[in-house]
Amino acid sequence: GENVEQHPSTLSVQEGDSAVIKCTYSDSASNYFPWYKQELGKRPQLIIDIRSNVGEKKDQRIAVTLNKTAKHFSLHITETQPEDSAVYFCAAELSGTYKYIFGTGTRLKVLA
Amino acid sequence: EAGVAQSPRYKIIEKRQSVAFWCNPISGHATLYWYQQILGQGPKLLIQFQNNGVVDDSQLPKDRFSAERLKGVDSTLKIQPAKLEDSAVYLCASSLDGANFESQYFGPGTRLLVL
Repeated sequence: GENVEQHPSTLSVQEGDSAVIKCTYSDSASNYFPWYKQELGKRPQLIIDIRSNVGEKKDQRIAVTLNKTAKHFSLHITETQPEDSAVYFCAAELSGTYKYIFGTGTRLKVLA
Repeated sequence: EAGVAQSPRYKIIEKRQSVAFWCNPISGHATLYWYQQILGQGPKLLIQFQNNGVVDDSQLPKDRFSAERLKGVDSTLKIQPAKLEDSAVYLCASSLDGANFESQYFGPGTRLLVL
């Protein structure tokens, strides 16, 4: 079946450094890719998304890049802060179904 | 705008017992999703409703899980009988009409522990 691979599973960075999380998807027709942040015991919250007709999207310290040829997309967080510590999930919308396939998550720890 | 509401927040039951979860989506959202999130994993879709009709329940273990959305608003998810491996967080999400490029908004989840 269709799947989304996400790496790394854990990531520790020093405050102020950048963090990059990568995802690879299998459905070449997927055309929408949201990213969710989930703090411990809380709901997943949408932080940024990208459509297949765009290669990059930025929102303040967060950016997402998409390479449709290689079927991968990445989340970039610059100038990380302790409050960025959370689990981040990527997802790909399965074409024609409006269903999301989620990655396995990345636990980001920003060290003060 | 109020978010997706879920209850209860926590539930502990013994195996073979029954349990039900409730979800109230964002007002006006036609599409409702139930996900199962096992510890350390991403959410896995169980069932998707469009208004009061089922769009996809291919991942729902129908021998023990059932869900309904009778009036196209609130939804309930039931497990009967529960197994140990059902221990997970059950997340409800909603979107405006389930179209392409549309964001899904999640509720806080119900954390289920089956003993």
